[in-house]
Amino acid sequence: GQNIDQPTEMTATEGAIVQINCTYQTSGFNGLFWYQQHAGEAPTFLSYNVLDGLEEKGRFSSFLSRSKGYSYLLLKELQMKDSASYLCAVRNTGGFKTIFGAGTRLFVKA
Amino acid sequence: NAGVTQTPKFRVLKTGQSMTLLCAQDMNHEYMYWYRQDPGMGLRLIHYSVGEGTTAKGEVPDGYNVSRLKKQNFLLGLESAAPSQTSVYFCATTPRLAGDTQYFGPGTRLTVL
Repeated sequence: GQNIDQPTEMTATEGAIVQINCTYQTSGFNGLFWYQQHAGEAPTFLSYNVLDGLEEKGRFSSFLSRSKGYSYLLLKELQMKDSASYLCAVRNTGGFKTIFGAGTRLFVKA
Repeated sequence: NAGVTQTPKFRVLKTGQSMTLLCAQDMNHEYMYWYRQDPGMGLRLIHYSVGEGTTAKGEVPDGYNVSRLKKQNFLLGLESAAPSQTSVYFCATTPRLAGDTQYFGPGTRLTVL
C-alpha cells in the first residue's frame, strides 16, 4: 500500500527551530515535496528532494533518506507567519501522480 | 499572468444537483490535476490529464467526470451531487514530470446539502 505519515500538530515558540518529520511507504519514488498551506488558502511549494541529503533554502531546509523512507522539514528562526499546515508529498515512479500526507499543523506562539 | 484560476470560489448544492468546476491556466502547462481536500485526510487525487484530449482516474474518481478539450482548461463535473462530496476542491498544474512542483489554484469550497 501507499502511506505517508506525519504528526498531526506541533507547537513551537517564535525564534526557535522546529523539525517536522515525514515517513513514507509508496509503490515508487520520483521525488519528495514539502508544501506550506495557510488556512483557507492553496498549498505553495517549499522544497523538493530527489537525492539523499539536505537541501537548504533560507530559513527552510529539507532532508531526505530514501533507504529509510524518511524526510524532515526544518524551520529556523520561527516567525508568527510560519503558523500553517505543512504537507509532505511523494511523486511516484512515472511522475504522473503525487501522494500527499494529511499535513502537520504548526502553531507558533509568542 | 493569472496563473491558475478556479471558478466558482464557493457553491452550495442540493443532493442530486449537478455542476461543473472550471480550472483555467495561462502557463502553458501540460499536466493538470483535480484534488479534493477533507479535514485530516490531506489532498486526494480525483482525476488528472497529461495533455489536451486525455484524462485518467486518480485515487477517488467515483461520482466525478472530467474533460480537457483545450490545453488551458480542465473541467470537473458532478452529475448528481451527494453530501459526501462536500469538500474543498483544488486544481493544480505542472509543466513536466520530475522536479517540477505543482502550482495550485485558489480552491473551490463546495457544500452539498
